[in-house]
Amino acid sequence: DTEVTQTPKHLVMGMTNKKSLKCEQHMGHRAMYWYKQKAKKPPELMFVYSYEKLSINESVPSRFSPECPNSSLLNLHLHALQPEDSALYLCASSQGVLAGYEQYFGPGTRLTVT
Amino acid sequence: KQEVTQIPAALSVPEGENLVLNCSFTDSAIYNLQWFRQDPGKGLTSLLLIQSSQREQTSGRLNASLDKSSGRSTLYIAASQPGDSATYLCAVRPTGTSGSRLTFGEGTQLTVNP
Repeated sequence: DTEVTQTPKHLVMGMTNKKSLKCEQHMGHRAMYWYKQKAKKPPELMFVYSYEKLSINESVPSRFSPECPNSSLLNLHLHALQPEDSALYLCASSQGVLAGYEQYFGPGTRLTVT
Repeated sequence: KQEVTQIPAALSVPEGENLVLNCSFTDSAIYNLQWFRQDPGKGLTSLLLIQSSQREQTSGRLNASLDKSSGRSTLYIAASQPGDSATYLCAVRPTGTSGSRLTFGEGTQLTVNP
């Protein structure tokens, strides 16, 4: 099973709301990633977790708060977002963070901030 | 800083044509290069992964080549079909401790007309 699942598929939220995105994989991967992708642009790395510990934060604003409760789950907590945060949020996983490991991507969550 | 460029940005071809998508990168210190396919509003599907020691990889009608010294990769699609219509992204993975970071090109939007 090489599947990464993400929920919800679509999310509309106001600037004062708090919501969470969820990502799950059952491939035994120990590295998980959050990417943000704006329309017609490539994905941009946000966070990397390795063995459930945050290893990379690409200077992401604190209104985005990642959490890795266990090796299969990755959450992204959203609070006080801005309209410019509207994007496709992609989760990925790999066996590890070393360069030789292929990343597998989920279908994404389309987020609209109103 | 690694930069990845994909040419052309968009391509429209009749069904049945063989076609080549190009990817170039500025820093040859890469561990591997990966080609992805992305359908509109969807996640990324990995097509081919080429390690830096390899020259090419094949999967079905797809063939990807890598010339690390010149900083170039090509994705060859044989006998194109309307179902191949999508955006194709290449991404490079650096050597060293930042190996988990993928640097993406901006993609080639392919349309195959019946």
